[in-house]
Amino acid sequence: NAGVTQTPKFQVLKTGQSMTLQCAQDMNHEYMSWYRQDPGMGLRLIHYSVGAGITDQGEVPNGYNVSRSTTEDFPLRLLSAAPSQTSVYFCASSYSAGTARGQYFGPGTRLLVL
Amino acid sequence: GQSLEQPSEVTAVEGAIVQINCTYQTSGFYGLSWYQQHDGGAPTFLSYNALDGLEETGRFSSFLSRSDSYGYLLLQELQMKDSASYFCAVRDQTGANNLFFGTGTRLTVIP
Repeated sequence: NAGVTQTPKFQVLKTGQSMTLQCAQDMNHEYMSWYRQDPGMGLRLIHYSVGAGITDQGEVPNGYNVSRSTTEDFPLRLLSAAPSQTSVYFCASSYSAGTARGQYFGPGTRLLVL
Repeated sequence: GQSLEQPSEVTAVEGAIVQINCTYQTSGFYGLSWYQQHDGGAPTFLSYNALDGLEETGRFSSFLSRSDSYGYLLLQELQMKDSASYFCAVRDQTGANNLFFGTGTRLTVIP
């Protein structure tokens, strides 16, 4: 199993540009989430999904959209990039049966917005 | 709201034991998790405590006291590769296994 994969690994955007961060998992996990991590900080939840066709907002959703058309994929869209969105973005997935097994994180996408 | 407090930095000697503390405030508690993150890497799950007491996994142990809203991660026989950031986390209010993270403790292991 590849686990959770994310593309791209690095991206530089200009203010106002849009882009999509890709996330896929092959563990048949029901739950998927997007977090951002700023320097010296913990991870903060952006959006999450409990299954195909179901998404909801997390702690910091403004400026981001998500959709979940399949169990495997959960892309994150930046609508109009701003310097405040410079961060490292992590996708995570987990079984629906509780946190005992933990969340599985992808390798991250490092985004710089100029 | 939710809040987690943990020390920002800890330094320990190779071969020694180190304890990283975490205190939390949350409405609705579903357990305390610990994650390890090396520089430039992804967080990886270490342990989870839903009930009071000690959970042991090899060189790592985690403890929880729900009455004190307190937990700790204990790392024994420290190795250089244990140098990393360690995050405590609680399940957030979404009910979907999402986590609210502390700001992390950077552990430096010195020879």
